[in-house]
Amino acid sequence: DQQVKQNSPSLSVQEGRISILNCDYTNSMFDYFLWYKKYPAEGPTFLISISSIKDKNEDGRFTVFLNKSAKHLSLHIVPSQPGDSAVYFCAASEGAGTASKLTFGTGTRLQVTL
Amino acid sequence: DTGVSQDPRHKITKRGQNVTFRCDPISEHNRLYWYRQTLGQGPEFLTYFQNEAQLEKSRLLSDRFSAERPKGSFSTLEIQRTEQGDSAMYLCASSPASLAGFEQFFGPGTRLTVL
Repeated sequence: DQQVKQNSPSLSVQEGRISILNCDYTNSMFDYFLWYKKYPAEGPTFLISISSIKDKNEDGRFTVFLNKSAKHLSLHIVPSQPGDSAVYFCAASEGAGTASKLTFGTGTRLQVTL
Repeated sequence: DTGVSQDPRHKITKRGQNVTFRCDPISEHNRLYWYRQTLGQGPEFLTYFQNEAQLEKSRLLSDRFSAERPKGSFSTLEIQRTEQGDSAMYLCASSPASLAGFEQFFGPGTRLTVL
C-alpha cells in the first residue's frame, strides 16, 4: 500500500526553465510534507517542507504547493540549474511538529540539461 | 563536520552472518531514526528512538533486527543471520526536540550486500 506516490520516475528540463515535480498521497492523517534531494552515494538532504495549514511555502528557487482536497503536492524549481540534477523524494508525516516517522514516495529523477 | 555519520559506509557479508551498523546523530538531536532503502524505492521506516527509549518499530523490523541507543547518543542496528533480502542501504536520521517544525537530517547510509 503506497501511501505516497510519485508517478513520474524521471523528468528532464532545460537549464533556466521551471521544474515541476508532483506527489500524491492517500492517507488523510498526513499533515506535514517534506521534499528531499538525494545525490548518488549520499543520504537524502532536506529541501523544503509545508504544514497542512498552509497551501504554499517558498524558499529561494524552491516552492512547494499543497492541495489538500486533491491530496496533491508539487515542488517547483525556478530557474532550474544543472546542480539540481538529483533524485527528489516527497515525504509525509502525521502529527505536525511532533516526532513521527516519514513515509516516502519512490522518487523522481530530475535531469537538468544545458 | 557536525552532520549525521554512519559506519561502515559499505559492508559485504555472507548469508547467515551477523552485521552491526553504527550511527552518530547530530549532537543536540535527541531523536534518532533508522530507515532502509532498496533500489528504486524511497526510504522505509524501521525504528525510532527518543533519547535512549525505542518508541516505535515497523513491522519490517523482524526479530532478526535489533536496534539500541544505550546512552541516548549513538545508535547501533544489528542484523542477525543475514539473508539476501537484507541487501539494501541503511539510513540513519536525527532531528531536534522542537515543535516548531519537523525535518529529519540523514547520514550518508551504510550499503549492505549479502552474498
